[in-house]
Amino acid sequence: GAVVSQHPSRVICKSGTSVKIECRSLDFQATTMFWYRQFPKQSLMLMATSNEGSKATYEQGVEKDKFLINHASLTLSTLTVTSAHPEDSSFYICSARDLPQGYTEAFFGQGTRLTVV
Amino acid sequence: ELKVEQNPLFLSMQEGKNYTIYCNYSTTSDRLYWYRQDPGKSLESLFVLLSNGAVKQEGRLMASLDTKARLSTLHITAAVHDLSATYFCAVEGARDMRFGAGTRLTVKP
Repeated sequence: GAVVSQHPSRVICKSGTSVKIECRSLDFQATTMFWYRQFPKQSLMLMATSNEGSKATYEQGVEKDKFLINHASLTLSTLTVTSAHPEDSSFYICSARDLPQGYTEAFFGQGTRLTVV
Repeated sequence: ELKVEQNPLFLSMQEGKNYTIYCNYSTTSDRLYWYRQDPGKSLESLFVLLSNGAVKQEGRLMASLDTKARLSTLHITAAVHDLSATYFCAVEGARDMRFGAGTRLTVKP
């Protein structure tokens, strides 16, 4: 299957700082990328959907000013957690698809464990 | 809104036993996925089911899809310890995938 690379895999930051997470599709063009958050022992919750070159669509209850998503190219999407607080500590996972090609499977990144202290 | 219900949420099995995990969903869809997640890791794709009646098998795992009943099953045959993990089903909605709550499987010797 296709490869989606997510970086960093782990990050610890101080409360009030910002953290950027990158999601790259390595061998295909990802016209659409999805960002999920997963709290311990819970399922994946969709945060937002981003399409290359346009603004992300956020799910209800997700603060778009806090979780900034940029999908500037067909191979890269970034999620920036601004002014992070301990309650933002979570496992963040991206996935990527090439939707204009018709049906394609979603491929997932390795995940990023964010700890805000 | 698409809702996905998975059960059981917790499953403790003895090695060698069989069991089934169920995934029900609320709106029409003909694309369903099963994933495995180990602690601290991302998702590993197990099965992609794309049509009514689809059945796929890999090793001790077999998945099926009944789109009319809006039901998928993941059957575990003769469980072994290596199958201990959390299993998620996910259903393709109009614009994204929705995940079930996950089934935490523990296989005991």
